[in-house]
Amino acid sequence: AQTVTQSQPEMSVQEAETVTLSCTYDTSESDYYLFWYKQPPSRQMILVIRQEAYKQQNATENRFSVNFQKAAKSFSLKISDSQLGDAAMYFCAYKMNYGGATNKLIFGTGTLLAVQP
Amino acid sequence: GAGVSQSPRYKVAKRGQDVALRCDPISGHVSLFWYQQALGQGPEFLTYFQNEAQLDKSGLPSDRFFAERPEGSVSTLKIQRTQQEDSAVYLCASSLTGDSYEQYFGPGTRLTVT
Repeated sequence: AQTVTQSQPEMSVQEAETVTLSCTYDTSESDYYLFWYKQPPSRQMILVIRQEAYKQQNATENRFSVNFQKAAKSFSLKISDSQLGDAAMYFCAYKMNYGGATNKLIFGTGTLLAVQP
Repeated sequence: GAGVSQSPRYKVAKRGQDVALRCDPISGHVSLFWYQQALGQGPEFLTYFQNEAQLDKSGLPSDRFFAERPEGSVSTLKIQRTQQEDSAVYLCASSLTGDSYEQYFGPGTRLTVT
């Protein structure tokens, strides 16, 4: 079974600084997606960034980038120039890229990010 | 355009009551998912629909949980004889197709069983 582990329950960063959130996962599949979702206090889960496992190039979305290490099964999120609005719970998630009966997301336990002014 | 909506946003039920949680997915989205998020945890998969067909219900924790999507759009998650351990936020998500990578989430329904 696939699992996702986030070992940092809480992180803190100063405004305008850079922070890295860690995620490891376990799977025997070779074709899958990895995601970082942001969940603010309002609870609406928002997709931050995604990575296809077959792509070697790390994904980047503006201030957000990932470090995807497929062999090590590691998928960290780097937030540059942190802003107060980045404060939220961040979830790492996995999804098989398989046209089968289910396309469910498997989530980690989350990292609560605080941004200090 | 409108996103995924869920109602009610908050529900308090006495132990043993039945509850029904509603999800309105994005119009035209084929796939619909239900997740359960306990306090301080990540969401956990409950069930998955493709149109009106329930293709995966492996995450439903007991036979007290039942979900339906009779016309392939709105979905209802029903919990019978609620227990305290059912207290959680129930999230609904939809995606355009079964293979779409992105799921769009609703704001969730917070269920508290007293």
